[in-house]
This record gives sequence, C-alpha cells and structure tokens, in this order.
Amino acid sequence: TQLLEQSPQFLSIQEGENLTVYCNSSSVFSSLQWYRQEPGEGPVLLVTVVTGGEVKKLKRLTFQFGDARKDSSLHITAAQPGDTGLYLCAVRNSGGYQKVTFGIGTKLQVIP
Amino acid sequence: EAQVTQNPRYLITVTGKKLTVTCSQNMNHEYMSWYRQDPGLGLRQIYYSMNVEVTDKGDVPEGYKVSRKEKRNFPLILESPSPNQTSLYFCASSLRAVPNYGYTFGSGTRLTVV
Repeated sequence: TQLLEQSPQFLSIQEGENLTVYCNSSSVFSSLQWYRQEPGEGPVLLVTVVTGGEVKKLKRLTFQFGDARKDSSLHITAAQPGDTGLYLCAVRNSGGYQKVTFGIGTKLQVIP
Repeated sequence: EAQVTQNPRYLITVTGKKLTVTCSQNMNHEYMSWYRQDPGLGLRQIYYSMNVEVTDKGDVPEGYKVSRKEKRNFPLILESPSPNQTSLYFCASSLRAVPNYGYTFGSGTRLTVV
C-alpha cells in the first residue's frame, strides 16, 4: 500500500493570504487527485493530474504534479473563508487500480 | 442530478444488532467503494466493487460485508456491530477503476455503536 504524506496537517491563515499544501510519497503514480471536504459532508473532487510536471488551475487554486510523479502541491491565492475545509490527495494503487488510497489531509481555516 | 445517496445520515445502535447502510448511485458507474473516516487515520477503504457481482476487500474489511446485486446499489452490512465500528462512513463511486476517474462521494453516515 502506497503511503501519502500531506503537509501541513493544520493551517490557519487570514483572508487574502496565499498558501501551499503538499502531498508526497516515495512511490510513482499514474495520476493523483485532490478533493476538498467540508465538515459533515463527503469529499468533492477538485482535480485530477496525470502528466509529470502538469499544472492545472481552477480559479484561485493551482495544482502541480511533480516531474517524477511522486508528489503534488496545491497553491491557493488570496484565500477566502469559503476555502476553509479539509484538503485530501488520493491515488489509485498501481497493479490494477482497484484500491484508492487517501492522505490524511490538510485542515485549512481561513479567518475573515 | 447525478449523485450518490446514502441512508441513513445518522444511526445510533447497540452492540450486536445487525444493520445495513444503503448506497445508491444514478450515474451508471461501474466502480463503487465504502470508506470509513476516523480522526488521525483519514479515509480508509473497507470494500470495493469493480462491477455487478464483483467485490473485494479494501484495507479494513473486518466486521463488514457488502453485496453488489445491481449496478446502482452497494449496501454495507454490519452483522454484529461493535463500538470500534463507531465512525463516519462514506460510499463513493466512479465511472471505472482507472487512474483518470475520480470519485463522487455520498454525504456520509455517522454511526455510533454503544
């Protein structure tokens, strides 16, 4: 089972600040996904990154897949209170892709 | 609306009393899965199903059963619940079990076993 390490585990920032969260592993992945989960709700898919070095933008969110496809980052520009939530990265395990492993997540709080 | 529907949202039960959590999706997805989410441990996969009548264990299958008789439904069965199964449970589905496809999650079932 591949282990995904997310950092930081907790982050509390003021509205308007920028931030970056990370998802790292020693394994190589075919693709990686980012989800956001709000309290009491299921995670919602934000993006899938597939190619090493790939950068995807979703409004103020920028996702990058590492060149070696072992890590990924999520950068938020000018954070807003609506960005508050738990950010999770996930991968399908190699060798059939049946199993999906999630990181423990980064809990983000944006203070107005 | 494309969605995964879980029921119930909240459930309090007693040790040993069999229960079923239902999950249904309306997106014609082949792949479905159950997760439990616990503080400090994150989301852990319980069981998954590649298609009708095809199910397999995830990382924490002990104490759980599943079935996939129809494509849209994937119930989670706890034959004899114990307090260590108190958790937040999520059902999820994806079109196929390939790297590019992400999950659609249900809203969750908060289970308390006393």
